[in-house]
Amino acid sequence: EVQLLESGGGLVQPGGSLRLSCAASGFTFSTYAMTWVRQAPGKGLEWVSSISGRGDSTFYADSVKGRFTISRDNSKNTLYLQMNSLRAEDTAVYYCAKVRESGYDYGAFDYWGQGTLLTVSS
Amino acid sequence: QLVLTQSPSASASLGASVKLTCTLSSGHSNYAIAWHQQQPEKGPRFLMRLYSDGSHSKGDGIPDRFSGSSSGAERYLTISSLQSEDEADYYCQTWGTGIHEVFGGGTKLTVL
Repeated sequence: EVQLLESGGGLVQPGGSLRLSCAASGFTFSTYAMTWVRQAPGKGLEWVSSISGRGDSTFYADSVKGRFTISRDNSKNTLYLQMNSLRAEDTAVYYCAKVRESGYDYGAFDYWGQGTLLTVSS
Repeated sequence: QLVLTQSPSASASLGASVKLTCTLSSGHSNYAIAWHQQQPEKGPRFLMRLYSDGSHSKGDGIPDRFSGSSSGAERYLTISSLQSEDEADYYCQTWGTGIHEVFGGGTKLTVL
């Protein structure tokens, strides 16, 4: 059974930093691209960042480029999102998700975590 | 620029059927999409991947009541025999080189 479990959310002041983690199990982690998607309160889903299975290709939405860094540790089956220079508009539930097709950098997301809430406020 | 357009809301009666639409922007009518369901206070759940020819592959455990179809730039999600737990937000998603990942704005389905 595929499971994705996010952690690391919390309350951060504007300008601060935080790192999210996503622990994966139930599939061969290193062969699938992974992604972060966020959802601001009362709003829709917004793609944030993706990373290839080997971790050698990364992609970012314009809204987070230069501030967020996605990475993965395939030996630990864990995905990360390092978030710096946080702004109020980054407040959202952050979900990690798995790309359906092995070997592709993007595609349909076929499994999602339960999400972790980031609140950026003074 | 690839944009996915969804109606903000839809409603249908318990036991009836409903058809939700996701429209691909001009020039992108051959793109596949995915449909996701998000029940209140829960994370999204993958329903299916839907191709431009109408063929689709469902996620694990998705009931037969959920089906997909396509016509031109439109991608449809049909839910038959509506149940109360189908009341949720439904999002379409697509992807591609250079655009990476895109979501539609979502449709809030109310089961009457």
